[in-house]
Amino acid sequence: AQKITQTQPGMFVQEKEAVTLDCTYDTSDPSYGLFWYKQPSSGEMIFLIYQGSYDQQNATEGRYSLNFQKARKSANLVISASQLGDSAMYFCAMREGDRGQFYFGTGTSLTVIP
Amino acid sequence: DAGVTQSPTHLIKTRGQQVTLRCSPKSGHDTVSWYQQALGQGPQFIFQYYEEEERQRGNFPDRFSGHQFPNYSSELNVNALLLGDSALYLCASSLLTGVETDTQYFGPGTRLTVL
Repeated sequence: AQKITQTQPGMFVQEKEAVTLDCTYDTSDPSYGLFWYKQPSSGEMIFLIYQGSYDQQNATEGRYSLNFQKARKSANLVISASQLGDSAMYFCAMREGDRGQFYFGTGTSLTVIP
Repeated sequence: DAGVTQSPTHLIKTRGQQVTLRCSPKSGHDTVSWYQQALGQGPQFIFQYYEEEERQRGNFPDRFSGHQFPNYSSELNVNALLLGDSALYLCASSLLTGVETDTQYFGPGTRLTVL
C-alpha cells in the first residue's frame, strides 16, 4: 500500500482565493510526522509546514495551515489568499518514528489564475 | 545562513559510466539524506548518512553508494549508469534529534541525464 496518497494531479485556484490540497497517509506507527513541501519549476523542495502525530492542534505557518484528521488519516494543506507565486508542485510527505526516510506522494500541481 | 548546496547542477553521462554528486548540508545540520526524483514523480529515498555511517537505506541497488565526511558534507556515487538513472537527485539535510519532528531541508538538486 502507498504510504502517501495525493489524488489531485492538478488544481486551479483564482488569485486571492483559498485552496485545499488533499493528502492521505498509511502507517501503523503511533509516532509519525507529516510534512508539506513546495517544488517550483526550478526543482528545489521548499519546506512549508509540519504536523506531529501527537499534536492536538492543526499546524499553521502564515498563509499555510494543515487540516489534520487523525482518525481519517488525512493531512490536507490549506493555502489562503492564493498568490501567483504559489503556482508550483506540492508534495505531502511522512516520516515514521525517528527513522530517516521520508515517504512522498506523487504531488499536486497547483496553478493560480490571475 | 547558507542553505543546502549541491554540485553540479546538471550532468550528462553515457550508459555504463560512473558519476559522483556532492552535497553540503545546511549550517548546523549533521545528517544528510539523498533522494531520486524521476520526472513526474515524488522523491524516492536512497539513503541517509549520520556520523559518517549509512543510517538507513531505501530500495536501491548497490550501484548506489555514498559517503559522509567529517565536515558533514556528502557524496552520492552511482556506478554502471543505466538510462533509468536519469532523474533529479536531491540532497536533504537535517539535525538528528531522534524524534519525528526532524525536518529535512532540501538543496536545489542535480539533474542527471544518462544517454
